[in-house]
Amino acid sequence: KNQVEQSPQSLIILEGKNCTLQCNYTVSPFSNLRWYKQDTGRGPVSLTIMTFSENTKSNGRYTATLDADTKQSSLHITASQLSDSASYICVVGNQFYFGTGTSLTVIP
Amino acid sequence: DTAVSQTPKYLVTQMGNDKSIKCEQNLGHDTMYWYKQDSKKFLKIMFSYNNKELIINETVPNRFSPKSPDKAHLNLHINSLELGDSAVYFCASSRQLTGGANVLTFGAGSRLTVL
Repeated sequence: KNQVEQSPQSLIILEGKNCTLQCNYTVSPFSNLRWYKQDTGRGPVSLTIMTFSENTKSNGRYTATLDADTKQSSLHITASQLSDSASYICVVGNQFYFGTGTSLTVIP
Repeated sequence: DTAVSQTPKYLVTQMGNDKSIKCEQNLGHDTMYWYKQDSKKFLKIMFSYNNKELIINETVPNRFSPKSPDKAHLNLHINSLELGDSAVYFCASSRQLTGGANVLTFGAGSRLTVL
């Protein structure tokens, strides 16, 4: 069964700290993996997209990693800011299998 | 210019009514989608259309009827609204149906509340 699971479900961190969000998937065949950020009251916005041949990709303070062998991806946020508070969603494959999301809250 | 725009943003209505949500994209994309986001924030695909043709129709009650007059528009009509239909509905589009560089572009969402 094609599934995408994310952890933790929610996370609270202090402003300026780093954090890592996890995504495990069983989607097959695997073609690509995307991380989206969804601010409250808004639609998700793409952060990164990675194909099976890429194992790391950065977008500013966001760095995504991919291990296609273990079917795991992580999203690392460096020097968090209050504006990073959002839900982060992992989406896998051409048929867009959505993860359950991680709700991140950054507090002053 | 908003890439994917949907209206209305908020909709409050009584059970049993019929309502529509409209979506338009100006990206020149071939594929459009409707997603439902429940209270747990999980996004679930409802429909996808490619060049006005229905591709995906998940297990959605037939009270939900999508209509695509052209590839830039995908409207969602809901008959006989029920309490469980309360959710945020997101329209999205992508350049094509499949492909490694395919990225979904979402609208801002339409929050439907059924009383």
